[in-house]
Amino acid sequence: NAGVTQTPKFRILKIGQSMTLQCTQDMNHNYMYWYRQDPGMGLKLIYYSVGAGITDKGEVPNGYNVSRSTTEDFPLRLELAAPSQTSVYFCASSSSWATNEKLFFGSGTQLSVL
Amino acid sequence: EDQVTQSPEALRLQEGESSSLNCSYTVSGLRGLFWYRQDPGKGPEFLFTLYSAGEEKEKERLKATLTKKESFLHITAPKPEDSATYLCAVQGVASNYQLIWGAGTKLIIKP
Repeated sequence: NAGVTQTPKFRILKIGQSMTLQCTQDMNHNYMYWYRQDPGMGLKLIYYSVGAGITDKGEVPNGYNVSRSTTEDFPLRLELAAPSQTSVYFCASSSSWATNEKLFFGSGTQLSVL
Repeated sequence: EDQVTQSPEALRLQEGESSSLNCSYTVSGLRGLFWYRQDPGKGPEFLFTLYSAGEEKEKERLKATLTKKESFLHITAPKPEDSATYLCAVQGVASNYQLIWGAGTKLIIKP
């Protein structure tokens, strides 16, 4: 069972470069999320999607963009990378947006912007 | 504003030494409180959901409890494999179903 797969696992970017973090899930979940995790802080929601073609901003969307062309894939785009975007990024999915629905997480992408 | 505070930041225990982790929260109407476990280099893994004060959930050596202001994750006779960071999150009625996460408690169990 693959679950949620993220690539790459590690990446170093220079300031001003762009990149796309890939996320795919094989559970046929409609709901997908991007979080960032910084040391000493709780997970912060960047963007989420409730289905193919529908995305919305979370708590910290500035500097990021997303798209959702299929149920399986939810890539996160960083344009003009900044040191403040150094973080660990997690993609997650769930079968609903409801209270009792648990999230399934990928293994994360550790990104450094230097 | 919804908030979650976890304590302690880190906890070192000997194998078999029971203890509790705390998750204090303020939320405008609780929909649910969640506990996750996170191993180094991995994403969080779901443990429990609690919905109302007085509720308890158990899984192996872990038991989660909930009051109107906080939740405890009790660990009974822990083993080294219980070492991980434990994350707490809440979902409030005013949050559009988004989760507010605590910073976690890093638990280390020494053999």
